[in-house]
Amino acid sequence: EVQLVQSGAEVKKPGESLKISCKGSGYSFTNYWIGWVRQMPGKGLEWMGIIYPADSDTKYSPSFQGQVTISADKSLDTAYLQWSGLKASDTAMYYCARRDGQFDYWGQGTLVTVSS
Amino acid sequence: DIQMTQSPSSLSASVGDRVTITCRASQDISNSLAWYQQAPGRAPKLLLYGASRLGSGVPSRFSGSASGTDYTLTISSLQPEDSATYYCQHYYSTPHTFGQGTKLEI
Repeated sequence: EVQLVQSGAEVKKPGESLKISCKGSGYSFTNYWIGWVRQMPGKGLEWMGIIYPADSDTKYSPSFQGQVTISADKSLDTAYLQWSGLKASDTAMYYCARRDGQFDYWGQGTLVTVSS
Repeated sequence: DIQMTQSPSSLSASVGDRVTITCRASQDISNSLAWYQQAPGRAPKLLLYGASRLGSGVPSRFSGSASGTDYTLTISSLQPEDSATYYCQHYYSTPHTFGQGTKLEI
């Protein structure tokens, strides 16, 4: 069974750094792109970027380029999304998803709250 | 970047009704179009891909079609559990933009 399990909710202060994770199981992790999707409170889905774990080829949305870093550790079957200086506007639910063209399997989401 | 314009933004219908949601792409995406369902407080779930192919385990009352750059999701006989927000997404070229979403109330 394909599963993507994300790390737990985080509460951070503005300016702090953060790295959240997404661990895949039940399939060959290096054979599929993994994507990240943001959903701000009460808002729609926003495509942030994707990574190919086999070689860490990464593609970002222009809206998120330079704002976040997507990485992966193929030895751990895990993808990551990180920030070096969080802002209040980063408060959102973040989903990872496996890409097979479309996003066919999704993680449960990680809620990130940034507040002073 | 390719823009996806989804309509309506919300609609209300009754059990047994047939409803249609539309997405228009700003350029040709060659049927590289998926539809997702997101129930309140839940992660999105894949409904259709390739414009008209059903995702795994998705009921047959969901269907999709394409005409040029216009894509349509149809739910043939609404059930109470279909109350959710629906999103289209293209995956023709990066960024794989989502539509703005349609909130369906039953």
